[in-house]
Amino acid sequence: AQSVTQLDSHVSVSEGTPVLLRCNYSSSYSPSLFWYVQHPNKGLQLLLKYTSAATLVKGINGFEAEFKKSETSFHLTKPSAHMSDAAEYFCVVSDKYNFNKFYFGSGTKLNVKP
Amino acid sequence: NAGVTQTPKFRVLKTGQSMTLLCAQDMNHEYMYWYRQDPGMGLRLIHYSVGEGTTAKGEVPDGYNVSRLKKQNFLLGLESAAPSQTSVYFCASSYGENRGNQPQHFGDGTRLSIL
Repeated sequence: AQSVTQLDSHVSVSEGTPVLLRCNYSSSYSPSLFWYVQHPNKGLQLLLKYTSAATLVKGINGFEAEFKKSETSFHLTKPSAHMSDAAEYFCVVSDKYNFNKFYFGSGTKLNVKP
Repeated sequence: NAGVTQTPKFRVLKTGQSMTLLCAQDMNHEYMYWYRQDPGMGLRLIHYSVGEGTTAKGEVPDGYNVSRLKKQNFLLGLESAAPSQTSVYFCASSYGENRGNQPQHFGDGTRLSIL
């Protein structure tokens, strides 16, 4: 089965500093990849998606992610963290045989310090 | 614009009781999903549906049943609730094209406790 690994369960940054949330996937094919954000007591909201068009993907709220096939990585970045970015982030990969079935990473909780 | 609506938002059950969680979407999406979210485990797929009248098992289907009698609704049933089913349940929907690049739209979740 496909798997996705988020390398950090918690990340803490200061407001105004860069954010890096790491995601690796195991795959013998080129999957669709997504990042979602979840604020407390809310559902998940799409940040961005990769679908083989361009390796650098821009999302909402200033987030970006770069697809690196050689490293099987899809890390999420933002140049300058804002207090409102504090949330949990999930990396998601599509299934090899059913492109509308997905596997979620275990999540990374981002804390932003003032 | 309602999107995906889950009912109820909270529920407490006793072991052995049954209940049904309702998910409704107003976006004319073909695909619908039920996930459970447990601390440190991300979201795990329980069941999903690729269209009205169809259902399929996900990663953790045991102890749950689903039905998709209408395109806009996807019901998740617990026939005999167990403490291990204490979780937050999320419903999602998507257009479901073959390319798999359609994102999922999520409800706000149902927090279920089994005593």
